Amino acid sequence: EAGVVQSPRYKIIEKKQPVAFWCNPISGHNTLYWYRQNLGQGPELLIRYENEEAVDDSQLPKDRFSAERLKGVDSTLKIQPAELGDSAVYLCASSRRPGLSYEQYFGPGTRLTVT
Amino acid sequence: KNEVEQSPQNLTAQEGEFITINCSYSVGISALHWLQQHPGGGIVSLFMLSSGKKKHGRLIATINIQEKHSSLHITASHPRDSAVYICAVSGATNKLIFGTGTLLAVQP
Repeated sequence: EAGVVQSPRYKIIEKKQPVAFWCNPISGHNTLYWYRQNLGQGPELLIRYENEEAVDDSQLPKDRFSAERLKGVDSTLKIQPAELGDSAVYLCASSRRPGLSYEQYFGPGTRLTVT
Repeated sequence: KNEVEQSPQNLTAQEGEFITINCSYSVGISALHWLQQHPGGGIVSLFMLSSGKKKHGRLIATINIQEKHSSLHITASHPRDSAVYICAVSGATNKLIFGTGTLLAVQP
């Protein structure tokens, strides 16, 4: 079984430029998460999807961040325009379904550097 | 005060030593997760537990629900165990609350 796939693995952009990250969850996993992890800290949830519906986006900075999960499978997270403080690792995770603490499976992450 | 706290924040050990990383939490949970993150790498789930004890190879995880405390033990540590170990707790919605991690360095 393939794991969670993310691309790109690394991205360097100048501030004010747009950037997009892509995630393909494990087949059959209905729940998809986007996390941001700053250096030396634990991940923080940006948005959680149940199928194609965003059910928790309270931590997503909506002025510059957007996400979509068309057809309830792949997901894209976009930042426009990027700021220096957006430099972090962006992690995608998936689980079979919410509730009962189903285990989350994490992708390798995308390391974003904004210069 | 963070809802999930880990100790120590940094740990250096010699190869072969027995290692313990602690996690305390202050919220109600349905499960506790131990995760491993190598530098530049993604996160790998080591354990998910809601009671008692689990063992996988040289790794052992325990949890005391009444005391809201969990420990991760590594026996016969090896340099390849060097990584960040993260404790996270989840409630009914599987929303994870993460600790800040413990950076472990095992020296040969």
